[in-house]
Amino acid sequence: VVMTQSPLSLPVTLGQPASIFCSSSQSLVYSDGDTYLSWYHQRPGQSPRRLIHKVFNRDPGVPDRFSGSGSGTDFTLKISRVEAEDVGVYYCMHSINWPWTFGQGTKVDI
Amino acid sequence: EVQLVESGGGLVQPGGSLRLSCAAFGFTLNNHWMNWVRRAPGKGLEWVAQIKEGGREIYHLDSVKGRFAISRDDARNSVYLQMNSLRVEDTAVYYCARERGDLWGQGTLVAVSS
Repeated sequence: VVMTQSPLSLPVTLGQPASIFCSSSQSLVYSDGDTYLSWYHQRPGQSPRRLIHKVFNRDPGVPDRFSGSGSGTDFTLKISRVEAEDVGVYYCMHSINWPWTFGQGTKVDI
Repeated sequence: EVQLVESGGGLVQPGGSLRLSCAAFGFTLNNHWMNWVRRAPGKGLEWVAQIKEGGREIYHLDSVKGRFAISRDDARNSVYLQMNSLRVEDTAVYYCARERGDLWGQGTLVAVSS
C-alpha cells in the first residue's frame, strides 16, 4: 500500500487552521470493519507521537484542536488553530497489512 | 511510568552486526505486538519489523529480510533486533514501538560507515 501526502511543506500562521491530506493506493478498511489509518507528529530530535488512530480517534493527551476525517482511501488531518508547538513533521500511516507504510511526511513550520 | 527504552546502537563498519534491545517499563510486554521502526537521515519513517504476542507471527521489511531478526523475551519484558550484514543505507535512528504506535521509545542511533 502506497501512502501519498500533500502538501510536503506547509507554512502556517499561528492561530490559523491548517490541513494535511493523505491518500492510499487501496482501501484501508480491514475485515473487522475498522479503517486503520493513523496520524503521527515528530518534532526535531524527538520520537514520533501518535495523534489520531482509526481515522478520527484522538490519542490520550492530544489537544482537541487536532481532528482526523476521511474514509476508504482519502483522509485529512486538521489543526483548527495552529500553535507554536505544532511545528515538525506529520505522517499518515496505514496498518491493514504488512508492510505498514508511512506517507512521505509533511513539514509544518511557522 | 509507562515507557520503552532502547539501547545497543552505535557505529559499525559495513558488513558488521549489532543487537538492539528495547526494555518495557510500567506495563507487561506479553500482551502486545511489538515493532521496530527507523528514520534515516533526511528521510521519513519506515516500519522495519514486527512480532506478535508469543512470537506467533513475525514480519520483516523486504530490504532487511535475511539480515535482521526481531525477537522477544517476555520474561525479561524486552524485544530485540539482531542486525547482521549491515549496509550504509541501514544508518538511521531505530525506535521501538508498541502495537500500532501508541507508545514509542526515545530511539537509538545506528551508524554504518567505514
